[in-house]
Amino acid sequence: AQTVTQSQPEMSVQEAETVTLSCTYDTSESDYYLFWYKQPPSRQMILVIRQEAYKQQNATENRFSVNFQKAAKSFSLKISDSQLGDAAMYFCAYATSGSRLTFGEGTQLTVNP
Amino acid sequence: GAGVSQSPRYKVAKRGQDVALRCDPISGHVSLFWYQQALGQGPEFLTYFQNEAQLDKSGLPSDRFFAERPEGSVSTLKIQRTQQEDSAVYLCASSSPLGAGGKDNEQFFGPGTRLTVL
Repeated sequence: AQTVTQSQPEMSVQEAETVTLSCTYDTSESDYYLFWYKQPPSRQMILVIRQEAYKQQNATENRFSVNFQKAAKSFSLKISDSQLGDAAMYFCAYATSGSRLTFGEGTQLTVNP
Repeated sequence: GAGVSQSPRYKVAKRGQDVALRCDPISGHVSLFWYQQALGQGPEFLTYFQNEAQLDKSGLPSDRFFAERPEGSVSTLKIQRTQQEDSAVYLCASSSPLGAGGKDNEQFFGPGTRLTVL
C-alpha cells in the first residue's frame, strides 16, 4: 500500500523568507503523480503544485517549487518570499493515474509578519 | 457556479440519526471522490465513482456508509445510525477525464461538510 509521510506537524517562517516543507512516500509503482495541497481555515483544498514521476525536471509555480528525488522517494515543497496569505495547512499527496489521492498528515504553516 | 459545491456546510446530528450529504461536481467531470477528514488529520479516501458506476468503495468504514450517484452527476453520501466517531469533515472532489482539456489527475475539491455527532 502507498503511504505518505510528513514529519513536520508545524513550521513557521518570517514574511518574505523561504521555507521548505518535507514529504516522503512509499510506493512500488513506477508511474505516479505527487501533489501539494493547501487547506486554509475555510477548508477549501487548493492545489498548489503537481509533479509527474516520469518528469525529471522539478515543477515550479511562481513562488512555489518542489525538490523531487525519485530514488529517495522524497518530495519537498519550497515557498519563496513567503506571504501572510500562505499560512495554512499543507498536505502532500500521491496518486496513480485516475485513482484516489493518498494524503500525508499535514504541516501547519505559520507566517510571521 | 464553476466549482464543486457541497451541502449542507454544517450538520449536527444526534447519535443514531441518519444523515445525507450532497455533492455537486463540476459540470462534465466524470470522476467523483469522497474523502473523510478527521480533525487535525489528512483526508482519507472513502469511495470513487466514474459516471454512475461506483468503482471503488474500499474506504467506507462500515456498512452504515452508503454512497450513490444515480445519474452520473450529483452524489449523495449517506450515513445511517450515526456514531460519535463519524464526526469529521466530508470532502467531495471531481476530476475531468483525460483528454478533455483538464490536467490528468487534478482533483477539484468542494468546501466540505462538517458533521458533528452528539
